[in-house]
Amino acid sequence: EAGVAQSPRYKIIEKRQSVAFWCNPISGHATLYWYQQILGQGPKLLIQFQNNGVVDDSQLPKDRFSAERLKGVDSTLKIQPAKLEDSAVYLCASSTRKGLVSNEQFFGPGTRLTVL
Amino acid sequence: GDSVTQMEGPVTLSEEAFLTINCTYTATGYPSLFWYVQYPGEGLQLLLKATKADDKGSNKGFEATYRKETTSFHLEKGSVQVSDSAVYFCALSDYSGGYQKVTFGTGTKLQVIP
Repeated sequence: EAGVAQSPRYKIIEKRQSVAFWCNPISGHATLYWYQQILGQGPKLLIQFQNNGVVDDSQLPKDRFSAERLKGVDSTLKIQPAKLEDSAVYLCASSTRKGLVSNEQFFGPGTRLTVL
Repeated sequence: GDSVTQMEGPVTLSEEAFLTINCTYTATGYPSLFWYVQYPGEGLQLLLKATKADDKGSNKGFEATYRKETTSFHLEKGSVQVSDSAVYFCALSDYSGGYQKVTFGTGTKLQVIP
């Protein structure tokens, strides 16, 4: 079974530029998560999708971050414009069946973003 | 809201030493508890989990017991190896607004020296 795929693995941009990250979850997984992991901290949830609908985006800085999940499969996360404090690893994760608190999350390798 | 507190690292141990990484939590409901591990250069992966009080999760020689009375889920291993060097994250999963919500601790870096 293929895992969660993310691209690119690394990205370096100047502040005020735009950047987009792509995630392909495990086939059949209904729930998709985007996390921001700043160095030395735990993952912080940015947005959670159930199929192609958003169920939690309470911690997403909506003035600069946006995300979509077309057809309930792939997802993209965009930052426009980027700030220095956006430097972090962006993790995508997916999980199966809807609504079970015991669900395991499967993580991709992450995209390391450096904003200069 | 829900929160997870785990001991700060880094933790440095010699090979074959006993490992404990403390994790405590606060939650309003009846959460499931997880330990995830992140090896250098890789994504997070599930190490073990427990879904109700007094459950013990175990994998690869690691164990953790869901203690509701002390709201704890401490990770233990009797004899660590160099290959266990990684960052370990404690996490809880609870219901919020009708869907699963996962909260992570800050992570504890473990370094095992030969």
